[in-house]
Amino acid sequence: GQSLEQPSEVTAVEGAIVQINCTYQTSGFYGLSWYQQHDGGAPTFLSYNALDGLEETGRFSSFLSRSDSYGYLLLQELQMKDSASYFCAAHNQGGKLIFGQGTELSVKP
Amino acid sequence: GAVVSQHPSRVICKSGTSVKIECRSLDFQATTMFWYRQFPKQSLMLMATSNEGSKATYEQGVEKDKFLINHASLTLSTLTVTSAHPEDSSFYICSARDPDRNTEAFFGQGTRLTVV
Repeated sequence: GQSLEQPSEVTAVEGAIVQINCTYQTSGFYGLSWYQQHDGGAPTFLSYNALDGLEETGRFSSFLSRSDSYGYLLLQELQMKDSASYFCAAHNQGGKLIFGQGTELSVKP
Repeated sequence: GAVVSQHPSRVICKSGTSVKIECRSLDFQATTMFWYRQFPKQSLMLMATSNEGSKATYEQGVEKDKFLINHASLTLSTLTVTSAHPEDSSFYICSARDPDRNTEAFFGQGTRLTVV
């Protein structure tokens, strides 16, 4: 089967750095994306890794290791508005996205 | 940026009735769209892949006769929940890819369906 594992929840304080890990087991893997979703809203795209290594986009960075079937999302200089659910998603053949269970991030003052 | 519009955002219907949800790509043509269902505090579960001009491909366990998908044009896919029951109450979200920006999936706003 196909599955992605990520922690169910993470808590951090404003200004801190947090890392959300994702391990995956899928067939026909093309890459790993990260999405942010606020309560009641649609997921919004954060980043995508097709190759091993680190991709940096502002305060957010994402890492992928294909050999380890592992990736992570790194959020720096946390702000209250970053409180949301974060999903890793594996890209499969045909453009399908298979989502992890999501990590609920709570940022405290 | 590319926009996907989904309508309606909320719908309440009686058990046994059918509900149609529309998903439109506003500034690009989408030969493929995807439909997801999300229960509270859970992940997005892929229901089906909607293919323009051909039959949808359903994921295992999704009833194709209950969730009818029509991809009538390169910018519109519809999901019809037929004979809705309270257990069908959920958040339904569509997504589409801009072929020129293939790594990013754009999501509609989602439809909160409540069956009473």
